[in-house]
Amino acid sequence: ETGVTQTPRHLVMGMTNKKSLKCEQHLGHNAMYWYKQSAKKPLELMFVYNFKEQTENNSVPSRFSPECPNSSHLFLHLHTLQPEDSALYLCASSQKSRGQETQYFGPGTRLLVL
Amino acid sequence: QKEVEQNSGPLSVPEGAIASLNCTYSDRVSQSFFWYRQYSGKSPELIMSIYSNGDKEDGRFTAQLNKASQYVSLLIRDSQPSDSATYLCAVSLSGNQFYFGTGTSLTVIP
Repeated sequence: ETGVTQTPRHLVMGMTNKKSLKCEQHLGHNAMYWYKQSAKKPLELMFVYNFKEQTENNSVPSRFSPECPNSSHLFLHLHTLQPEDSALYLCASSQKSRGQETQYFGPGTRLLVL
Repeated sequence: QKEVEQNSGPLSVPEGAIASLNCTYSDRVSQSFFWYRQYSGKSPELIMSIYSNGDKEDGRFTAQLNKASQYVSLLIRDSQPSDSATYLCAVSLSGNQFYFGTGTSLTVIP
């Protein structure tokens, strides 16, 4: 469907659990992103990686820990989350071409923290 | 202070009509502008991108950009019930900085 895949698509976890979200892009892009989408709020940028290097950490709590082992893969490690962290977590990738950069999204992981 | 503002709606139009979605942005150095469509429970899907002043047409969709007024719009001609979704406006500055509006909910009534 898209060049960006995410697993799992749905996740339910308790506040003491540790889990990881995975994102993979097949578009040859060099930038990858994590966003959080909650109801009635704009997309919140969490992290940006450019050529595997983190270039943005948008004041995200330390209970969210990103990892980018290469330009195609991005992880979001979760631990001791709170119920208010329940949201849709979206991965995206982008590539600058002829001075223009367009972002494409994965299908998202719907997270519920109990 | 919001970077990108949209009317949250809901906006309702009859089938076959033109739907007009509007977006304003605050940063004058914004370079790239995007419209995404998001169906309930799904991720945003890119519909249009526009980079220079004027109109850009793609099928039933037309994006309009006015940098002097810091305004970008999306027109959907011959609206169909399948166009019912939330439409997100996004603005990019330089580098990897993308800012999104809260989205406008559109309902096309058969």
